[in-house]
Amino acid sequence: DAGVIQSPRHEVTEMGQEVTLRCKPISGHDYLFWYRQTMMRGLELLIYFNNNVPIDDSGMPEDRFSAKMPNASFSTLKIQPSEPRDSAVYFCASLREWSTDTQYFGPGTRLTVL
Amino acid sequence: QQQVKQSPQSLIVQKGGISIINCAYENTAFDYFPWYQQFPGKGPALLIAIRPDVSEKKEGRFTISFNKSAKQFSLHIMDSQPGDSATYFCAASSGAGSYQLTFGKGTKLSVIP
Repeated sequence: DAGVIQSPRHEVTEMGQEVTLRCKPISGHDYLFWYRQTMMRGLELLIYFNNNVPIDDSGMPEDRFSAKMPNASFSTLKIQPSEPRDSAVYFCASLREWSTDTQYFGPGTRLTVL
Repeated sequence: QQQVKQSPQSLIVQKGGISIINCAYENTAFDYFPWYQQFPGKGPALLIAIRPDVSEKKEGRFTISFNKSAKQFSLHIMDSQPGDSATYFCAASSGAGSYQLTFGKGTKLSVIP
């Protein structure tokens, strides 16, 4: 398997623009997680899905952030409008089944908002 | 409120030495404690994990020591190598699985020749 795939790997945008990050989980994994990593706050869980349904979005910082999972092989994290403080590395991770397995992380998307 | 406190923030160890990273947690419901290793430009990858029914788990040069009463756990890297240079994160979760992990802030380890 190719592992968790994220795109783009790097994104530079200007404040106020819409940003869409994409994730393809490992085939057969039932859970998908979105994390944000910054120097100040470390790794923070934003939202996670089980079988394409959002289960916990309490980590989503503001209404400007939204996530969708239209099918088992694709998820998006959208920021609209983007702000400089959203600059971070965003990771997607997937998990086969929660009781016995571990989360596998993608390579991340480095977002810079100017 | 940070629920998993990790120290030190950075660590420099000579090749062949022992690297020790410590974590403390507050939530007594945590029952799964993994360590992740992250190389620059990569996502975190599971290194080793422990559950509170044992006090120690060893995999190769990597050992987790767990002290339930003190609510602390640590990672020991024996015979540290330059290839071990990375950022290490401890994490914890409650319930029967590894979902919804709470991560420590990370320790940047540099192993010098």
